[in-house]
Amino acid sequence: DAMVIQNPRYQVTQFGKPVTLSCSQTLNHNVMYWYQQKSSQAPKLLFHYYDKDFNNEADTPDNFQSRRPNTSFCFLDIRSPGLGDAAMYLCATSSPGGLKNIQYFGAGTRLSVL
Amino acid sequence: DQQVKQNSPSLSVQEGRISILNCDYTNSMFDYFLWYKKYPAEGPTFLISISSIKDKNEDGRFTVFLNKSAKHLSLHIVPSQPGDSAVYFCAASGLNSGGSNYKLTFGKGTLLTVNP
Repeated sequence: DAMVIQNPRYQVTQFGKPVTLSCSQTLNHNVMYWYQQKSSQAPKLLFHYYDKDFNNEADTPDNFQSRRPNTSFCFLDIRSPGLGDAAMYLCATSSPGGLKNIQYFGAGTRLSVL
Repeated sequence: DQQVKQNSPSLSVQEGRISILNCDYTNSMFDYFLWYKKYPAEGPTFLISISSIKDKNEDGRFTVFLNKSAKHLSLHIVPSQPGDSAVYFCAASGLNSGGSNYKLTFGKGTLLTVNP
């Protein structure tokens, strides 16, 4: 059974039209992450929530926002998508403890911008 | 500036033979390393990990070796099977300047193809 679920799997939006991607988890993990991955590139961390604390990466554009209304759900909002924002968006969760940090990923949402 | 590098974009191996995937890192603060496997249209799946206090970790057909002095790790798959064909990502974590050790830095991945 999928433990990290991303919806939708494929999203098409228009240039400049706001879009929201969603992620839910059944693992009860306290950390949730959003990554952007472009073709043949490493997944790039955009931001993460540690419980309710939001942590933005320094190079994440302001165009990207996130919300975490409760432990199970996390949303990625792209306020004005540009052509360069077309990518796979991956959500992950973890429950950090000691040295180990295994992140569990959803299947991703592939975003196309027309 | 890539802190985790996988210099081989692809690797092709015959079924039954050994697959060796390599990964180099530059940040000496990294102390935990992971390999993820990704099939098309799926998210990355955790495969195996190693702590910096070890130099080898084995799980069935999969073994990860860590050479801290060279800042190099490798994933060995023996014997390779067609179902192992996927993209393999190397990732690392460590206490960073922000005081957290739970963020991962990924390499670009290596596409492994195991031919029957």
